[in-house]
Amino acid sequence: AQKVTQAQTEISVVEKEDVTLDCVYETRDTTYYLFWYKQPPSGELVFLIRRNSFDEQNEISGRYSWNFQKSTSSFNFTITASQVVDSAVYFCALSAGNTDKLIFGTGTRLQVFP
Amino acid sequence: NAGVTQTPKFRVLKTGQSMTLLCAQDMNHEYMYWYRQDPGMGLRLIHYSVGEGTTAKGEVPDGYNVSRLKKQNFLLGLESAAPSQTSVYFCASRPFFQLDNYGYTFGSGTRLTVV
Repeated sequence: AQKVTQAQTEISVVEKEDVTLDCVYETRDTTYYLFWYKQPPSGELVFLIRRNSFDEQNEISGRYSWNFQKSTSSFNFTITASQVVDSAVYFCALSAGNTDKLIFGTGTRLQVFP
Repeated sequence: NAGVTQTPKFRVLKTGQSMTLLCAQDMNHEYMYWYRQDPGMGLRLIHYSVGEGTTAKGEVPDGYNVSRLKKQNFLLGLESAAPSQTSVYFCASRPFFQLDNYGYTFGSGTRLTVV
């Protein structure tokens, strides 16, 4: 069975702080994809990144970076120098093997205060 | 290029009423999905389809039915709405191969309230 755990329900930081959102996944498949989505207060789901199981390179995109570690089944997301506009709910998700399903974690609500 | 369009965006139902949510995609995607989002629960998969004429159950299928008569449309039906079905519903689609693209495209959601 596939499972995604986001243990942090809510995180509050002050602007310009760095913040890391944790994601731990479970799957027996050797081929899988991991995703991060952002859901701002407006409600839509915004795609941030997709990583396949054969690519363990960390990725940086502006203030965002992702640390994929198969050894610990984690795909953590770091926002550097957070801004108020980063306030949102962030979801980690897993699509594994040939199940064709995208399974979400319960999300982490990030509040960035000025 | 509209992507994934959900109709309606908002709806209020009385307990016991029925309704159909429509999801339409114009990207020729094979796979389509219906999720519900509840506070603290994340997005949970209701039903999905891997192609025209096929459907399968997800994590929380009870109380819902689906149909995929045309490749571009995926309908979610509530035969007898219950307050427990108050939620935000998201539709998503993806192509058969997701190697060289973003994979899943989501609609903007339907907020359903059952009173």
